[in-house]
Amino acid sequence: GESVGLHLPTLSVQEGDNSIINCAYSNSASDYFIWYKQESGKGPQFIIDIRSNMDKRQGQRVTVLLNKTVKHLSLQIAATQPGDSAVYFCAEKYSGGYQKVTFGTGTKLQVIP
Amino acid sequence: GAGVSQSPSNKVTEKGKDVELRCDPISGHTALYWYRQSLGQGLEFLIYFQGNSAPDKSGLPSDRFSAERTGGSVSTLTIQRTQQEDSAVYLCASTFVRDRAENTEAFFGQGTRLTVV
Repeated sequence: GESVGLHLPTLSVQEGDNSIINCAYSNSASDYFIWYKQESGKGPQFIIDIRSNMDKRQGQRVTVLLNKTVKHLSLQIAATQPGDSAVYFCAEKYSGGYQKVTFGTGTKLQVIP
Repeated sequence: GAGVSQSPSNKVTEKGKDVELRCDPISGHTALYWYRQSLGQGLEFLIYFQGNSAPDKSGLPSDRFSAERTGGSVSTLTIQRTQQEDSAVYLCASTFVRDRAENTEAFFGQGTRLTVV
């Protein structure tokens, strides 16, 4: 379903540690997934994406894992830095039909210096 | 411009007044979204436009909310008889949709912060 106005869950991580942010998506037909980062006062910005024919994709310090069996997506951030503090949203899309992107509820990441 | 542009960036209005929020998507983007985000909360979907298809209005919270997209480009979100609970950041996003083989992410504007007093 659509993301609703729910209070964001918070993940607190020590600087230098690895962060894992999890997301359960809703549509088993979704074939494209995206992670966004939203810093305070700004709109969400693209971090990394993955297609459903893959189960892992790596970027710079970030890795996205996709488990289609349980409809689960995760974002791993290596060596978390204070600048990683933000709200992270996952998003899903089914490329057929209407092609509408649906966002998850979001997770607030707090990096402890 | 290079990105999604929203105006105004901030809007303070009195309860009961109507407001119009504007979104200029990235040129050539066929799809446009409006979201609402209250402080410390997630993204609440409002409406989705895709090409010439009928818009998906399933997220509009009441009949006081409406949106249009003229000429497949600029979009206006209108809130009539504003209430204090309408206070939030309203975000617009656009993306290019063509075929199944091409997946592109949505690009967001900076949002309009609406305060109803």
